[in-house]
Amino acid sequence: AQSVTQPDIHITVSEGASLELRCNYSYGATPYLFWYVQSPGQGLQLLLKYFSGDTLVQGIKGFEAEFKRSQSSFNLRKPSVHWSDAAEYFCAVIYLTGANNLFFGTGTRLTVIP
Amino acid sequence: NAGVTQTPKFQVLKTGQSMTLQCAQDMNHEYMSWYRQDPGMGLRLIHYSVGAGITDQGEVPNGYNVSRSTTEDFPLRLLSAAPSQTSVYFCASSPTGSNYGYTFGSGTRLTVV
Repeated sequence: AQSVTQPDIHITVSEGASLELRCNYSYGATPYLFWYVQSPGQGLQLLLKYFSGDTLVQGIKGFEAEFKRSQSSFNLRKPSVHWSDAAEYFCAVIYLTGANNLFFGTGTRLTVIP
Repeated sequence: NAGVTQTPKFQVLKTGQSMTLQCAQDMNHEYMSWYRQDPGMGLRLIHYSVGAGITDQGEVPNGYNVSRSTTEDFPLRLLSAAPSQTSVYFCASSPTGSNYGYTFGSGTRLTVV
């Protein structure tokens, strides 16, 4: 089955520390990859996406992600976390088969401590 | 430009009641979909549509019906609500082609008692 895995349910970091959120997709057809963020009680906001080309992509709010085909990964990073980054983060994929639906991981909740 | 509009924002139903969650978009997107979000499970695809008159099942379709009579509207129907359908529901739309720029609605929080 086509899937996307976020192995970390909850991560706590100190404000100003670096952040890496992990995402792995199941091996198969070349995917399109996305990271979304959801603040409490809010909808989803797209942080960045990867379709092809340069494997390091820059997004909004200072986030970046690196696509590694050999590891089937698309990890999200930020060099210095701000308190406002506390939210839930979702990795999502589109496998280019059929209707090209967007499938989500289970999410990683980020807590930022002062 | 309103984007994707979901109504209502909140709803409480009794077990066995029926209701329709509304979703409308004004971007002329061909693709529309419904997700449910539950704690620890991310967003799971319920139903989707690739154009007017065309719908198909996603990962968790049981208990839900959809129709797509126009490009703009994609309502989600619960025929007989169950407590297991307590969730937050999101509608999304996207243009077809290589853009895949999904736009999400603000969600409907449904409680079934």
